[in-house]
Amino acid sequence: GAGVSQSPRYKVTKRGQDVALRCDPISGHVSLYWYRQALGQGPEFLTYFNYEAQQDKSGLPNDRFSAERPEGSISTLTIQRTEQRDSAMYRCASSPRTGHGYTFGSGTRLTVV
Amino acid sequence: GQQVMQIPQYQHVQEGEDFTTYCNSSTTLSNIQWYKQRPGGHPVFLIQLVKSGEVKKQKRLTFQFGEAKKNSSLHITATQTTDVGTYFCAGNNAGGTSYGKLTFGQGTILTVHP
Repeated sequence: GAGVSQSPRYKVTKRGQDVALRCDPISGHVSLYWYRQALGQGPEFLTYFNYEAQQDKSGLPNDRFSAERPEGSISTLTIQRTEQRDSAMYRCASSPRTGHGYTFGSGTRLTVV
Repeated sequence: GQQVMQIPQYQHVQEGEDFTTYCNSSTTLSNIQWYKQRPGGHPVFLIQLVKSGEVKKQKRLTFQFGEAKKNSSLHITATQTTDVGTYFCAGNNAGGTSYGKLTFGQGTILTVHP
């Protein structure tokens, strides 16, 4: 596609529910990244993929968070048993290869109530 | 772990004045990138610097990478109201193995008064 597409744009969920956030990167981009951005802060690294392989998941806060990119294109970030502290803007980005500048999507604003 | 600090946190200028934001890393960087985020928007890639001492220009914007590859700066000449936003630097740790991981600074929020 023309840009990085994330869905949904907004998600309100009850504490304890699972959520799945979707990212559709720019076609042909090898690298896909997930970041979380709190209000007034810079993006915080969660994980990234090259093709379908998860290269680094060191930024995932705990084992309730997981991500996959099974066919090397669309990626899903899943948060199980959501907690209020998970509320944030979740941003996906892609780049032609590792080490290039990112193109960010518009993000998914997650609110856990 | 790696930390990237930016100063100042906020900067208010009159239109036409210059603006500079500084970025400092606790570790040597393999490269540094700069992004601009408009209010309510998402970060947009501006530039990447790779070489020690590198200087790059984009119209009124000048980017520098320090000789030790631990600091960087962004200078805007004669600011315009369209320059409003938050400017982030982001670096990749030269000593690390995660080549795709960027550590972002907390950003400098620029306000331009007409």
